[in-house]
Amino acid sequence: NAGVTQTPKFRILKIGQSMTLQCTQDMNHNYMYWYRQDPGMGLKLIYYSVGAGITDKGEVPNGYNVSRSTTEDFPLRLELAAPSQTSVYFCASNPGAYEQYFGPGTRLTVT
Amino acid sequence: DAKTTQPPSMDCAEGRAANLPCNHSTISGNEYVYWYRQIHSQGPQYIIHGLKNNETNEMASLIITEDRKSSTLILPHATLRDTAVYYCPRNKFYFGSGTKLNVKP
Repeated sequence: NAGVTQTPKFRILKIGQSMTLQCTQDMNHNYMYWYRQDPGMGLKLIYYSVGAGITDKGEVPNGYNVSRSTTEDFPLRLELAAPSQTSVYFCASNPGAYEQYFGPGTRLTVT
Repeated sequence: DAKTTQPPSMDCAEGRAANLPCNHSTISGNEYVYWYRQIHSQGPQYIIHGLKNNETNEMASLIITEDRKSSTLILPHATLRDTAVYYCPRNKFYFGSGTKLNVKP
């Protein structure tokens, strides 16, 4: 099992550009999550999903969108990138209970 | 408030036990206590979880107070590789800022 994979590892965006951060898990987990981590800070939940076709907002959803068309994939979309979205983005999954499995992260810089 | 309280940083000598506290005074009766750690800028890694009883695995021990309002993660023989930020998130969603554990030679 590859676990949770995220692409790209690094990305630099200009203000106003858009991009999609990809997240895939091969553990057949129903629950998937997107977090952001600003420098020196903890993780903040952006969006989560409890299964294909079902998503819900977390603590900091503004400026982001998600979709969940399959169990494996949970992409995060930034429509109009802003400097405040400079952060490290982590995707995670779990089967509903128990521990979360995290991906390696995507480091995003918006200039 | 569904948050936890942890000291921002702690030091520990290599080979000694590291005891990391977490306050979760508003935890509900059926809510598990989880601990994770994040080494450098990697994704967080699960360590241990428990409900009421103390738990132990190959990485650590978890002590939960009888009223469940606080817990302590114990690394029995800390090594330099245990230097990391340790989190006890609430509801799996609220990670907070964690405790930066510095293990020193």
